[in-house]
This record gives sequence, structure tokens and C-alpha cells, in this order.
Amino acid sequence: GAVVSQHPSRVICKSGTSVKIECRSLDFQATTMFWYRQFPKQSLMLMATSNEGSKATYEQGVEKDKFLINHASLTLSTLTVTSAHPEDSSFYICSAPPPGTGGTDTQYFGPGTRLTVL
Amino acid sequence: QKEVEQNSGPLSVPEGAIASLNCTYSDRGSQSFFWYRQYSGKSPELIMFIYSNGDKEDGRFTAQLNKASQYVSLLIRDSQPSDSATYLCAVFTGNQFYFGTGTSLTVIP
Repeated sequence: GAVVSQHPSRVICKSGTSVKIECRSLDFQATTMFWYRQFPKQSLMLMATSNEGSKATYEQGVEKDKFLINHASLTLSTLTVTSAHPEDSSFYICSAPPPGTGGTDTQYFGPGTRLTVL
Repeated sequence: QKEVEQNSGPLSVPEGAIASLNCTYSDRGSQSFFWYRQYSGKSPELIMFIYSNGDKEDGRFTAQLNKASQYVSLLIRDSQPSDSATYLCAVFTGNQFYFGTGTSLTVIP
């Protein structure tokens, strides 16, 4: 079945630095990928929709200049957390819909990236 | 009002029993409904999805959907300790997915 990978799985960084997280669809092409954030004991919250070849669509309250998204190819989307602060520490998960479903079907989730900002 | 609401639990059931997980949603136009299982520190994994009113069975799992009541549930028969996890209900409204906060399930051996 379709697989989505993320790298790195865990990252610890100092406050003020930038961190890049990669999301790859391994055996299918994804024109759309989604980035979620999950704080402990809370729901997955959609941050943005990454569109190959065009600008990402950000959810209300998500700073597009802080969370830079680049969907460089049909198999890769990156999320860069710029000038990270401790409150950005969270579990970041990407997902992609299976090909041919138009987004109406389920999502394949990446394994997630645990970001800790000191 | 949240888009998707779940009882956070924790829900504890003995091994072999039926676990019943419930979810309500606010958007009447929601199109499809999903149950994910999430182990601590891991990303969600799909258990099953349902589109139409009624029941859908897959192995030990049964999803039930009642669109009139805006209610979806998941039944786990013959619960196993390995079923202990957080179960997320997700709803696709046609624009995006909304997730509940999850119900923590513990199956006691």
C-alpha cells in the first residue's frame, strides 16, 4: 500500500533556529499533502495544505511566514519552522491522500516528527 | 462547538469484552467518516471508514453511522490488550478533515 515517510523522526533544537521537516510519498505521487500539528492529549490540527507547483494554503491562525511550506515535487513536501520557540514544540505529522481519490478518501499519514525546542 | 467531539475517556474494558467508542460531529454535510488508532508517540493508522448510514464490519471492528443523529461509533469485539491505544474519529466535510481529540482505550488482561 501507499507509504508516506517523514524525516527526521525526532529533532531537538535551540530557540531561534530553523528546522526543516521532509514528507515524502514513497510509491505514489501526491499533488496535495497536509501538515498537522498535535500537542499532547489534543487533537490533530490541520496547519496547511501543501499543493505541488503552487502556494500552500494555511489554516486560520497559522503564520505562513513562520511555517514555510514547499511542495517541490510530486513526492516531496517540506515544512520549515523558522525561528523556532519552545511553544512550537509539538508532534508534526504530514499526510497525503491515495492517488485517484480526490482527497475524499482516507489519508496516509507519515510517522510524524517530534520537535523539541529548548 | 467543536467539529468533532469524542469522550476522552479513559475507557477500560476487560480482555475479550466489547469496547464501544462514540463520536458526534457538527457538520450535517459531512461526507465520510474515519476511525484511526494512535499509539503513544506514533502517527494515526486507519482502522476503517464508512460513508453510508448503517453498519460496516471488518474483522473485529464494526463502524456504525447515523447521519440523522450525526453520530458515528466504533465497536471492537473480543478486545485484546494490543487494542489499547487512543482512537481518533475523523470527519471529512468535503473541504478538509476534522479530528476528534481521541478516546483512550485500555484493555485489561
